[in-house]
Amino acid sequence: RKEVEQDPGPFNVPEGATVAFNCTYSNSASQSFFWYRQDCRKEPKLLMSVYSSGNEDGRFTAQLNRASQYISLLIRDSKLSDSATYLCVVPYGYNNNDMRFGAGTRLTVKP
Amino acid sequence: NAGVTQTPKFRILKIGQSMTLQCTQDMNHNYMYWYRQDPGMGLKLIYYSVGAGITDKGEVPNGYNVSRSTTEDFPLRLELAAPSQTSVYFCASSGVAETQYFGPGTRLLVL
Repeated sequence: RKEVEQDPGPFNVPEGATVAFNCTYSNSASQSFFWYRQDCRKEPKLLMSVYSSGNEDGRFTAQLNRASQYISLLIRDSKLSDSATYLCVVPYGYNNNDMRFGAGTRLTVKP
Repeated sequence: NAGVTQTPKFRILKIGQSMTLQCTQDMNHNYMYWYRQDPGMGLKLIYYSVGAGITDKGEVPNGYNVSRSTTEDFPLRLELAAPSQTSVYFCASSGVAETQYFGPGTRLLVL
């Protein structure tokens, strides 16, 4: 299994749709997980952190399944502004400073 | 609020040339990181630092060097540029909460 693996997409969805992305990871010792959003030719920005079974912030829900070693990101009521690449990030190493990024899942929301 | 700043924004190097990518943060973060992102790929950690005077290798350190003489600055040095180092370079910083804040990136082209 790759350290961090994401479905590359692209996901093309209409406005208002619900879309979910999955991310699998290999390090069973990882305790915290992150979803970052990256717009085209811009820097990544934190979307959500996941420390336990899940986290919810408005239209965004992140869930963690430790047994199966995957994290999911659910976006409800998609907006045009949600179009971006979503990066799954998992810390490795003894002090969690070695962050491993997935290649990203590209989402396009269309009118 | 400046956050994390990087210079230059774009640079073209000839094979064998050297250069320093500058990174400065004004958030008093102890942790700083250098990543590279190749087209269609996730970010790969080059080097990181947990405080002034302390640096450590990441996933892809070969061909690069770093120093951390102050809390604010974390320059990345390329000694002998190679075409394989053509990439977008992101600097990031974080406090104890692990959320990383990224600079706008430096686009480097080695010809």
